[in-house]
Amino acid sequence: QITLKESGPTLVKPTQTLTLTCTFSGFSLRTSEVGVGWIRQPPGKALEWLALIYWNDDKEYSPSLNNRLTITKDTSKNKVVLAMTNMDPEDTGTYHCAHSARFYDFRIGYYFSFFDYWGQGILVTVSS
Amino acid sequence: QSALTQPPSASGSPGQSVAISCTGTSSDVGGYNYVSWYQQHPGKAPKLMIYDVSKRPSGVPDRFSGSKSGNTASLTVSGLQAEDEADYYCSSYAGSNNVVFGGGTKLTVL
Repeated sequence: QITLKESGPTLVKPTQTLTLTCTFSGFSLRTSEVGVGWIRQPPGKALEWLALIYWNDDKEYSPSLNNRLTITKDTSKNKVVLAMTNMDPEDTGTYHCAHSARFYDFRIGYYFSFFDYWGQGILVTVSS
Repeated sequence: QSALTQPPSASGSPGQSVAISCTGTSSDVGGYNYVSWYQQHPGKAPKLMIYDVSKRPSGVPDRFSGSKSGNTASLTVSGLQAEDEADYYCSSYAGSNNVVFGGGTKLTVL
């Protein structure tokens, strides 16, 4: 059974760096093509993909937030960490981590496209 | 503004069928057969319902089906049940290892 759970601060001040941890079980980041991603959801708004890290330490970032995000993993502890710098009130929302995998398409190479197991999420509020 | 366009709401009576659309561009929905759909009940994590346009993960009822034509994908829920009332989000591969989501559709079972 695959489970994921997010942890971290629920309140951060503007300009601070947010650091969130995803602790997972039921799969390993030693398994080929497996990945863990982060997706956020502002209150009452749409989902937005942020970042993803693969078993081999390859990383992908949302083009719109690339310069603010860093994703890392600790394979032995089954944890993935997301850091987001220069937090703003518009970054308020629920942050989810999720299991993913990448596949191969001869036209585009390796790609990921969906998240099949999600954590409940953690609500992060950015306010002074 | 979301990358993919969904109607804000949809509704149907129990037993009926409802289709939810998801419109993108040739750079995402129209360019790849990698559209996914998620169901989200209030306060819960999203649940994958459809991937690769029309494939269902194990455990998802066959009342849920997906399709695509050009730049528009659709999720159809047949034989509506009360527990289908939820928010539904589409997503699509958008090239260069980027995934975009729709704005979400609130499905109401009348």
